[in-house]
Parts: sequence; structure tokens; C-alpha cells
Amino acid sequence: QQPVQSPQAVILREGEDAVINCSSSKALYSVHWYRQKHGEAPVFLMILLKGGEQKGHEKISASFNEKKQQSSLYLTASQLSYSGTYFCGTEFHGSSNTGKLIFGQGTTLQVKP
Amino acid sequence: DAGITQSPRHKVTETGTPVTLRCHQTENHRYMYWYRQDPGHGLRLIHYSYGVKDTDKGEVSDGYSVSRSKTEDFLLTLESATSSQTSVYFCAISPYSNQPQHFGDGTRLSIL
Repeated sequence: QQPVQSPQAVILREGEDAVINCSSSKALYSVHWYRQKHGEAPVFLMILLKGGEQKGHEKISASFNEKKQQSSLYLTASQLSYSGTYFCGTEFHGSSNTGKLIFGQGTTLQVKP
Repeated sequence: DAGITQSPRHKVTETGTPVTLRCHQTENHRYMYWYRQDPGHGLRLIHYSYGVKDTDKGEVSDGYSVSRSKTEDFLLTLESATSSQTSVYFCAISPYSNQPQHFGDGTRLSIL
């Protein structure tokens, strides 16, 4: 049931773009995205609900394709502060009133000067 | 920042001993969650609560119990700690389901 994130790790130069994918084998109700820096707590980025909407947060945006049961996180013109591990958390149909999230294994992003 | 405090922040204990971790919030949020985080596994839900005295199991609930007697406190208990429960434990809160979850700073638990 755990969603699969790809890639597992990515290294960028400042200003470059990246895409992180999150795929599920089960029908999704919503997808949450979090970023965690080393030794710190995860920090909320955005939520996407079914309907294929796209949301944005600074230069970070995301899409949710309900039919394909996947979400993608887009980081444009990356900054050093974007470094960290990104997690998607998925909520399945049938558990939509519980807030129960199943998280992917994470994607480690390193932005170099 | 959401008012959420975990205690203790670090704990070392021996196999077979009981351990209780506390999550305290000042936001009056209805939902509270306990996760564990291990390398290569991401965050895994242990138990969650959707109200006072209302709790349910998550993915990895075996060996753990929880209690919520007040809105602000959510306790996680390891009745008899095992080395496999060595982990970083995070508490999270949210006002409703499908709302952002705000995480505490975590508790690093080592069981020798």
C-alpha cells in the first residue's frame, strides 16, 4: 500500500528544475506533500484533493492525476533552501475522514551552489 | 508554528521496560497522530486519535498502545520495549481530516 516515490535521490545545481513523482496502487482521495530537513520535523507543503487540481507554493507546485493514481511535485529554479527529503502522504478512498496517511519512502534532494 | 510539544526528546532504555511518550498540543486540534521514522521506511503511522477517547490503529500498531483522556494530550506506550522499536517518534496534529498535519520535533528512542 505504500506509495512509490521516484527518484529516490536527486542532485541539482541552483536554478535547475526537478520533478518528484508519487505513485499508488490504490485509488487515492488526496495527496499531501512534506519536506524534511536533516534532524528536523517534516514540514507541510501542500495538499491535493481528487479532481486533478494543481497547487503552488512559492516556486514549488504539484499536480494530482486521480486516474493514474499519482501525484508529481515540481520544483522550479531550485534554491539551496530546497534541499531535504520530500515525502508524499496518501489518503485512500474509504479512509477519507480519518486523516490516515500512508507515506512514501522519501526522495532526497540536494541543491548545490 | 503549531503549538505541539513532545516529551521526552531523547530516551535510552533497556529491553523489556515500559516506555511512555507524550504529545501535548495547545491548538485544540481534534486529530492527533503518532508516527515512527526509520531509515528507508519513511514515516509510518502507529496510532491516531480523532477525539477524546477515540483512537484507532495505523500501519504498525503491534506492540504499541495509546490513550487520549484530554484533547491536548496523546500518549504512546510501549508496554515492553524491544530493540526493534528503536526509532524516531513523531507526533502530528490537525484540526480536521484532510487538513495539514503539523509535526512535533520528535523523540529519539533507543532501546538497548
